[in-house]
Amino acid sequence: IMMTQSPLSLPVTPGEPASISCRSGQSLLHTNGYNYVDWYLQKPGQSPQLLIYLGSNRASGVPDRFSGSGSGTDFTLKISRVEAEDVGVYSCMQVLQTPYTFGQGTKLEIK
Amino acid sequence: QVQLVESGGTLVKPGGSLRLSCEGSGFPFSDYYLNWIRKTPGRGLEWLSSIRPGGGNTYYADSVGGRFTISRDNARNSLYLQMDNLRAEDTAVYFCARGTQTLVRGVQMYYHYYGLDVWGQGTTVIVSS
Repeated sequence: IMMTQSPLSLPVTPGEPASISCRSGQSLLHTNGYNYVDWYLQKPGQSPQLLIYLGSNRASGVPDRFSGSGSGTDFTLKISRVEAEDVGVYSCMQVLQTPYTFGQGTKLEIK
Repeated sequence: QVQLVESGGTLVKPGGSLRLSCEGSGFPFSDYYLNWIRKTPGRGLEWLSSIRPGGGNTYYADSVGGRFTISRDNARNSLYLQMDNLRAEDTAVYFCARGTQTLVRGVQMYYHYYGLDVWGQGTTVIVSS
């Protein structure tokens, strides 16, 4: 399943909102009602970390300024107020079926 | 402390083989699906392979199927990735990550997915002559 993210580069002023789009090549909506898409952030020099699972569920310890939404083939990760520590590469990933696939990644930088 | 620790990455020649290891601690290792994912220079994350808790079912990306083999030893809390016929494009940082949790109640097995919620620190593989 192809995953397409946009934009690929996202310069943001601290305190401003940010939004990343992810589109899948086929619906990620399971019959159980969950959308099988996750969002991950890889900060510079660190391992990837889980932000959002199953479309809209915030992972443990993730600040509430991060939110995931969408259904079917169109998904969005929103950051309500960007902070300096949010820099890194954001990737969506479909986990509906193997082979699991990631989007290309969106590099968020601070203006 | 819940953690995964990879090891085994090194410099290897094209066509060579390498075995990566990932040791888990702080959680019931044998209850979880486990995954290998890599980050290549200049490219994004790529999921490579997954294995069921009992090790009986394995899944692969097309790019590594037939060359890479995932396995696990639950008695040692260890996950492995055997990589054969390595190519320059396999140069990457390799991560293991925890996936779906399974729970058995009576004769029924339940699956709980909370994302790939635990990642190792990564191990670097360089394929070059």
